[in-house]
Amino acid sequence: DVKVTQSSRYLVKRTGEKVFLECVQDMDHENMFWYRQDPGLGLRLIYFSYDVKMKEKGDIPEGYSVSREKKERFSLILESASTNQTSMYLCASSSLPRAEQYFGPGTRLTVT
Amino acid sequence: AQSVSQHNHHVILSEAASLELGCNYSYGGTVNLFWYVQYPGQHLQLLLKYFSGDPLVKGIKGFEAEFIKSKFSFNLRKPSVQWSDTAEYFCAVGNNAGNMLTFGGGTRLMVKP
Repeated sequence: DVKVTQSSRYLVKRTGEKVFLECVQDMDHENMFWYRQDPGLGLRLIYFSYDVKMKEKGDIPEGYSVSREKKERFSLILESASTNQTSMYLCASSSLPRAEQYFGPGTRLTVT
Repeated sequence: AQSVSQHNHHVILSEAASLELGCNYSYGGTVNLFWYVQYPGQHLQLLLKYFSGDPLVKGIKGFEAEFIKSKFSFNLRKPSVQWSDTAEYFCAVGNNAGNMLTFGGGTRLMVKP
């Protein structure tokens, strides 16, 4: 079974803090993704990566950056957290074009 | 740009009722279509997918979906729901390159025992 893990299930940070969300997948997938999930808005793509050190902006990249130094690990960085970044963050991975994405359990981030 | 619409945000059904959740998309190319489900407290998981071939797709737990190209729709159905189907359901469309999914806003289904 594909396993996608995320470093924290719940996180509370203060406005202005730098926040790191980590994601690890154990199936040697090429593609990794970061989404945020908000009620009524579904999932919106923040960034994705199709290879080590490669990244592409998704629909809502503003205020975020990413890092992929190893194939299995994809990090989401909030340089200066703001209250409007309070959300559920989901990481996903996939192996081939057109293949389904496998999701982690999510990190619920609250910025106060 | 791709977009996906799920018109029902909340659906409440009694057990054994039939379910149909609507999904419409806009995308100019060849589509890959998905339904994902998120049970309470669990991670998002794939329910079924359509890439090509038979437009009637069967998934896990008795769910099925029909791709109607002329209507740009991919509606999810189940003949008889159970309490355990209570969850949030997301429709998604993938682009040709397979590197992006666009999700609908989700439908919360509550099944009353």
